[in-house]
Amino acid sequence: KQEVTQIPAALSVPEGENLVLNCSFTDSAIYNLQWFRQDPGKGLTSLLLIQSSQREQTSGRLNASLDKSSGRSTLYIAASQPGDSATYLCAVRIVGANSKLTFGKGITLSVRP
Amino acid sequence: GAGVSQTPSNKVTEKGKYVELRCDPISGHTALYWYRQSLGQGPEFLIYFQGTGAADDSGLPNDRFFAVRPEGSVSTLKIQRTERGDSAVYLCASSLGTRETQYFGPGTRLLVL
Repeated sequence: KQEVTQIPAALSVPEGENLVLNCSFTDSAIYNLQWFRQDPGKGLTSLLLIQSSQREQTSGRLNASLDKSSGRSTLYIAASQPGDSATYLCAVRIVGANSKLTFGKGITLSVRP
Repeated sequence: GAGVSQTPSNKVTEKGKYVELRCDPISGHTALYWYRQSLGQGPEFLIYFQGTGAADDSGLPNDRFFAVRPEGSVSTLKIQRTERGDSAVYLCASSLGTRETQYFGPGTRLLVL
């Protein structure tokens, strides 16, 4: 059974810091991995999707990498801002499991002004 | 364009009652998913539709839960004889294809008293 782990559960950093959020998964047979942002009381906003054949994707200040063989992904946030404060979740789509996503519990990020 | 919409945004009901939750996917998206998110957890898969048919309902917790998508667009998640443990946020997502980005709605917050 695929398990997705995100550690730590919470992170607090000062504004302007570059930071890395980690995601690990137990089964490397995945189609792709997706990073989401969730604001309190809201739904999920898709940030980046990395296909299994790709190593990284970039969007603005965000860069996500994927190392399928080691079961790891990282989300890099450059020059963090208070508006980046939210919960960040990663999810994987497993080969042969139709198209459902298996999620981690998320990392709650607080960027202090 | 319009994103995924869900109604109602909040639903309070009494134990034993029947509830229906509605999802309007992004126009043209053939794949539709339902997930359930408990406090402090990542979303957990419930059911996936490709067109009108349920391609994977392996995540439905028991036979009190049922979902339909009769015309391949709007979907309704139905919960019979609600229990307090059903209280959660129910999220709907849609995508163009099974390996494409999933776009989530804002969710329906269900509280069973």
